[in-house]
Amino acid sequence: EVQLLDSGGGLVQPGGSLRLSCVGSGFTFSSYAMSWVRQAPGKGLEWVSGITGSGGITNYGDSVKGRFTISRDNSKNTLYLQMNSLRAEDTAIYYCAKGRTSYDYWGQGTLVTVSS
Amino acid sequence: QSVLTQPPSASGTPGQRVTISCSGSSSNIGSNTVTWYQQLPGTAPKLLIYSNDQRPSGVPDRFSGSKSGTSASLAISGLQSEDEADYYCSAWDDSLNGRVVFGGGTKLTVL
Repeated sequence: EVQLLDSGGGLVQPGGSLRLSCVGSGFTFSSYAMSWVRQAPGKGLEWVSGITGSGGITNYGDSVKGRFTISRDNSKNTLYLQMNSLRAEDTAIYYCAKGRTSYDYWGQGTLVTVSS
Repeated sequence: QSVLTQPPSASGTPGQRVTISCSGSSSNIGSNTVTWYQQLPGTAPKLLIYSNDQRPSGVPDRFSGSKSGTSASLAISGLQSEDEADYYCSAWDDSLNGRVVFGGGTKLTVL
């Protein structure tokens, strides 16, 4: 059974940093692109970033480019999102998702709150 | 403001057929496939339709997708109370070095 377990969310002050993690199981992790998608409270879905299976190619949404870094450790079946220079508008539930353009499995989500 | 345009709301009575539209442009829907997700309250999104009209195993055949030009549609026939949810369309967009774009979501109410 495919499972994605997100973690690392919490309360952080504006300008602070946070690293999210997502552990995958039940599939060959290194063979699949992975992505992060977020959802602000009461709002719709917003694509944040994606990474190929090897980690060689990454893409970012305009709102996070230059501040967030996606990476993966295939030996640990783990996807990461390093978030720096956090802003209030980054407050959201962050989901990791399996796939590059279409997501067949999603994590349960981890809440990031940016507030002083 | 979302790159893909969906109506904010839709409704129907049990047993009815409803459709949700998704409008884009040549850089997204016009040149790439469309995906639909269902999000029940308080849960993560669930894949409903991929590659414009393909259903993952386990998704009832009451759900169907179609695409024409730069627009796509999700149809739900035999509407049931458990279909009440938010529905999102998405597609790859070839602009700005590539990105995934979503519609703003449609809240479906079963009356």
